[in-house]
Amino acid sequence: EAGVTQFPSHSVIEKGQTVTLRCDPISGHDNLYWYRRVMGKEIKFLLHFVKESKQDESGMPNNRFLAERTGGTYSTLKVQPAELEDSGVYFCASSPGTSGLTYEQYFGPGTRLTVT
Amino acid sequence: GQNIDQPTEMTATEGAIVQINCTYQTSGFNGLFWYQQHAGEAPTFLSYNVLDGLEEKGRFSSFLSRSKGYSYLLLKELQMKDSASYLCAVRVDPGDYKLSFGAGTTVTVRA
Repeated sequence: EAGVTQFPSHSVIEKGQTVTLRCDPISGHDNLYWYRRVMGKEIKFLLHFVKESKQDESGMPNNRFLAERTGGTYSTLKVQPAELEDSGVYFCASSPGTSGLTYEQYFGPGTRLTVT
Repeated sequence: GQNIDQPTEMTATEGAIVQINCTYQTSGFNGLFWYQQHAGEAPTFLSYNVLDGLEEKGRFSSFLSRSKGYSYLLLKELQMKDSASYLCAVRVDPGDYKLSFGAGTTVTVRA
């Protein structure tokens, strides 16, 4: 079974540019999460999709970040315009089911974003 | 906010035992997770505790005391491949799947 995949693995952009990160969850997983790790800090939650609906976007830092999950399969996270403080590693995770005993989240390898 | 603390770094010798502590002060508690992350790779699930006590999985064990807001991950018979970052994460709300992470503990295993 393929794991969670993320594209690209690295991205270097200039301040003010736009970047779109993609996450493909494990097939059949209804739950999809985005997290971010800024240098030297802990991994922090950004948002949670259940199928195509945003269940919780309390961690999104500001309106420069836009996440979508059309059709309830893959997800994109767009940063527009990018700022220096957006640099970090963006992780995607997925888990099965919409309720019940579904605890483990499966993580992707992350996209390392550098804004210069 | 949620406060989850773990040591930054630990070093141990191959074949030895290492215990990674995690203390948490969170607005709620619905389970504690340990993940292992090798450099440049995805965090991978190691263990889950929601009730007090010890959970054992081969060379890895995890312990939880909810009254003390404390957990540890015990790695036995250390191998070189165990050199990695170990992440403690808490799920705070029962109806909410998001995880709150500690900053991670980098374990270095020396020959």
